[in-house]
Amino acid sequence: SAVISQKPSRDICQRGTSLTIQCQVDSQVTMMFWYRQQPGQSLTLIATANQGSEATYESGFVIDKFPISRPNLTFSTLTVSNMSPEDSSIYLCSVRTGSSGELFFGEGSRLTVL
Amino acid sequence: GQQVMQIPQYQHVQEGEDFTTYCNSSTTLSNIQWYKQRPGGHPVFLIQLVKSGEVKKQKRLTFQFGEAKKNSSLHITATQTTDVGTYFCAGRVGGNQFYFGTGTSLTVIP
Repeated sequence: SAVISQKPSRDICQRGTSLTIQCQVDSQVTMMFWYRQQPGQSLTLIATANQGSEATYESGFVIDKFPISRPNLTFSTLTVSNMSPEDSSIYLCSVRTGSSGELFFGEGSRLTVL
Repeated sequence: GQQVMQIPQYQHVQEGEDFTTYCNSSTTLSNIQWYKQRPGGHPVFLIQLVKSGEVKKQKRLTFQFGEAKKNSSLHITATQTTDVGTYFCAGRVGGNQFYFGTGTSLTVIP
């Protein structure tokens, strides 16, 4: 299993600003992912955070908008840049580990953009 | 992109009734996982299915992977109020990424 800490747990931001979300894992993991979940919706994969190299983004997500860092095997950050109200969502950090390769999630960062 | 649909979107059942959610992928999956998300919580892993036609049981929950590995189902027998939440399937095509289904929100009426 893995214990994942995310900060901040929630924030209210102004349009046009940027926010960085931190994800700390209690063990070294190879695979780390960032998901977005809008209220009442499913989880959408934003990107795979690769240690030591650039993140791999899913269709519809770009590095300029969602820059990701992965300096080591226990930590990653996701920045939501130049925010608009459409970016209001819960952002979830996830790692894949365990005997079944299951995903473990952080508690999420609830972002509200005014 | 990867499309994983689930039906129904919402389901209200009386406590003790059965519940089933169906998951359909537009492409063949390497494996599929199921997660449960309680209101206000994050998704929690339930099970993984890998083989074509595989069936797994966890107490009152029965999971099935289709023969073509493009669909899956979760069946709960005799629902309890503790079963309340949203159930997601998540499919993997070939890489390390899992793509979540649209989810089925289950309400259990006592």
